[in-house]
Amino acid sequence: GAGVSQSPSNKVTEKGKDVELRCDPISGHTALYWYRQSLGQGLEFLIYFQGNSAPDKSGLPSDRFSAERTGGSVSTLTIQRTQQEDSAVYLCASSLGGQRVEKLFFGSGTQLSVL
Amino acid sequence: GNSVTQMEGPVTLSEEAFLTINCTYTATGYPSLFWYVQYPGEGLQLLLKATKADDKGSNKGFEATYRKETTSFHLEKGSVQVSDSAVYFCALSEGSSNTGKLIFGQGTTLQVKP
Repeated sequence: GAGVSQSPSNKVTEKGKDVELRCDPISGHTALYWYRQSLGQGLEFLIYFQGNSAPDKSGLPSDRFSAERTGGSVSTLTIQRTQQEDSAVYLCASSLGGQRVEKLFFGSGTQLSVL
Repeated sequence: GNSVTQMEGPVTLSEEAFLTINCTYTATGYPSLFWYVQYPGEGLQLLLKATKADDKGSNKGFEATYRKETTSFHLEKGSVQVSDSAVYFCALSEGSSNTGKLIFGQGTTLQVKP
């Protein structure tokens, strides 16, 4: 596709339910990143995938959060037993080769609301 | 650990005013520095970057200079327009590892009034 695509754009769930957020990166991009943007906060790094390497999970806030990237393309971020503090915009980004001077291309995000 | 600190917003200016948004960082090694912008209803996009000390990044009339001695990367524009109203994020990529993972500041909202 032309850009990074995320779905759903909005998700409302009840506390304690599991949710899955999807990201389709730009075709050919080997690096994929998940960030979280909470109201009034900056972007918080969650997880980073680069090619076939083990992902950098250092930003995941708890073991309720996990992510996978199948076939080096689509990624799914899963939040188990959601809590109200998980409410935020979840942003996905991709870049061509994962080099540190590269431009990141961001999706429009998934707005998650936990009631 | 590495971190980025931006001046708090919102910053409200009249059209054609001079803009400065301060950004300072803490990092080991030699990070690359970036400004990303988020226009209303749109995703974040790269505005400009600088990869080594004394480099100046520029785009769309915006400029920022990588100052290692003051660990700063302040964003400036000589004459803002209403269309510049957006949220601006300063970010760094760690110099100690060759990845595109970015550490962002908290963002500064700019409102430009006609």
